[in-house]
Amino acid sequence: QKEVEQDPGPLSVPEGAIVSLNCTYSNSAFQYFMWYRQYSRKGPELLMYTYSSGNKEDGRFTAQVDKSSKYISLFIRDSQPSDSATYLCAIPNQAGTALIFGKGTTLSVSS
Amino acid sequence: DAMVIQNPRYQVTQFGKPVTLSCSQTLNHNVMYWYQQKSSQAPKLLFHYYDKDFNNEADTPDNFQSRRPNTSFCFLDIRSPGLGDAAMYLCATSPRVQETQYFGPGTRLLVL
Repeated sequence: QKEVEQDPGPLSVPEGAIVSLNCTYSNSAFQYFMWYRQYSRKGPELLMYTYSSGNKEDGRFTAQVDKSSKYISLFIRDSQPSDSATYLCAIPNQAGTALIFGKGTTLSVSS
Repeated sequence: DAMVIQNPRYQVTQFGKPVTLSCSQTLNHNVMYWYQQKSSQAPKLLFHYYDKDFNNEADTPDNFQSRRPNTSFCFLDIRSPGLGDAAMYLCATSPRVQETQYFGPGTRLLVL
């Protein structure tokens, strides 16, 4: 089993929809979880990070961690065409020396 | 604005011809990373520097080397690029290991 699994999509939604993006991970020792957004032909940019279980909200974005299920989610409310990008979950390895990325989910929001 | 800068943004090289990619940062971060990202794949860490300490990932081919002459700059050298090395190369920095990484825009490498 890969350390971080993410459904690559693509995911297509109409403007205004609520989007749910998900990753699972295998190592229960992971403590720190991140979501990056990557526009086409650009580097990833950090969207959100969280240390613990529960929800963290930032504007239209909510990151959720369920450590008991080893499941992390990113919710986007009122999705906009500008949200069209690839979303990567990332978890630092136990040594903290590398980020383990999911493959990314490509999201397309149509107006 | 503090940032991570990569040059060039696009690089075309010939099979077997050495190429160097450049990364600079104004964040004054201790750690600099190089990732390789192929189309529709996750970024894959090649190596990182913590200050001047070089840390190579076990599966990084010997064809890939790196230099960090000072805090601000880090270079990726590909000694003999093959067709399979065509990818986006991403530089990232973080203040310390286990902290958030900040990425540059990437250099897209094409090998002819």
